[in-house]
Amino acid sequence: DQQVKQNSPSLSVQEGRISILNCDYTNSMFDYFLWYKKYPAEGPTFLISISSIKDKNEDGRFTVFLNKSAKHLSLHIVPSQPGDSAVYFCAASDSSGNTGKLIFGQGTTLQVKP
Amino acid sequence: DARVTQTPRDKVTEMGQEVTMRCQPILGHNTVFWYRQTMMQGLELLAYFRNRAPLDDSGMPKDRFSAEMPDATLATLKIQPSEPRDSAVYFCASAGPGADTQYFGPGTRLTVL
Repeated sequence: DQQVKQNSPSLSVQEGRISILNCDYTNSMFDYFLWYKKYPAEGPTFLISISSIKDKNEDGRFTVFLNKSAKHLSLHIVPSQPGDSAVYFCAASDSSGNTGKLIFGQGTTLQVKP
Repeated sequence: DARVTQTPRDKVTEMGQEVTMRCQPILGHNTVFWYRQTMMQGLELLAYFRNRAPLDDSGMPKDRFSAEMPDATLATLKIQPSEPRDSAVYFCASAGPGADTQYFGPGTRLTVL
């Protein structure tokens, strides 16, 4: 049972345009969401997060939007750069359990073409 | 520059052999996670520890996998005996007290022939 789903395995975008990566979740107890970026032969690195009390969080070119009623979050990258080409994982946690446990999606491979 | 380290980075072994992967969490982090990345499943949580005590190992095949934290600076994941289906990249991650953000190591790429 996949509680966090990234339904698009891959996405290709032109440099300078917007990249939108999507993530859906099923567990209404999730209250904290994160995006990680992963380059080949490296571990995932934390990118940006959002708490369920917010609907938007912005950090430079990266913005995460949360729609709790739809159980959907998205990561916007504007403008996209070739160095953004990587696998992006969304993750969710239920912090009320105080476990620190994250449930990850399967990842979306972003390719930004020069 | 605090980071999670993992050894070895690459391991090729034959079916039936024992494999031990090691992880050094970031100093001061009290929660350590072991993940496996496969094409089909993405990042699967295998086990995790808090303050060296195992909290959840339900993601691990119990008959062949074992995870331990001999001390606060070392976590180990052992597979005995290894099988070809264990071939994957294994990641260790650590998190500080009360923190949700996990910091990942570079991974161990395991190939079982």
